[in-house]
Amino acid sequence: AQSVSQHNHHVILSEAASLELGCNYSYGGTVNLFWYVQYPGQHLQLLLKYFSGDPLVKGIKGFEAEFIKSKFSFNLRKPSVQWSDTAEYFCAVSDYKLSFGAGTTVTVRA
Amino acid sequence: EADIYQTPRYLVIGTGKKITLECSQTMGHDKMYWYQQDPGMELHLIHYSYGVNSTEKGDLSSESTVSRIRTEHFPLTLESARPSHTSQYLCASSDSTGVGQYFGPGTRLTVT
Repeated sequence: AQSVSQHNHHVILSEAASLELGCNYSYGGTVNLFWYVQYPGQHLQLLLKYFSGDPLVKGIKGFEAEFIKSKFSFNLRKPSVQWSDTAEYFCAVSDYKLSFGAGTTVTVRA
Repeated sequence: EADIYQTPRYLVIGTGKKITLECSQTMGHDKMYWYQQDPGMELHLIHYSYGVNSTEKGDLSSESTVSRIRTEHFPLTLESARPSHTSQYLCASSDSTGVGQYFGPGTRLTVT
């Protein structure tokens, strides 16, 4: 079964700092990759996804992620965070079944 | 043990049948959600509830309906199943703060 590992449980940073969240998965075959965000009090929303093509994927709200096949990684980045980016971020990997990482709580201090 | 349950786990049914997918959670969570997910694709929110007698449609239009008569129970019903309803349906819940979402194991529905 697919397993998804998110490196950080909780990240705290100041506004304008850069953010990078690590995600690694276990399966070496063809997978689709996702990052979801859950803002406080809201449901999961899709930030970005990778199916094929350019391994650098741009998502909403200034987020991007890079797929590195050789490292089984799909790290999420944002050059300059805002207070409103405070949320929980989930990496997910799908071959036939969707598997989620445990999530990373990001707290941005004003 | 506090958990979220979905039954059945797998269902194969013919076109036109009425089906109900069950979801129950024993965590006392106020908020519950139904997501639809096709193989390899992202989740789509189809219904959510913020408490008893509260239900709302999600981002993806769905022919299904839901009810929330009890806090712990959030069933999803399809009055007349069609092959286009073939998908995986994931139920989730969260507490009143909405921080963290717990997912059930999912129901994989196939309509023939």
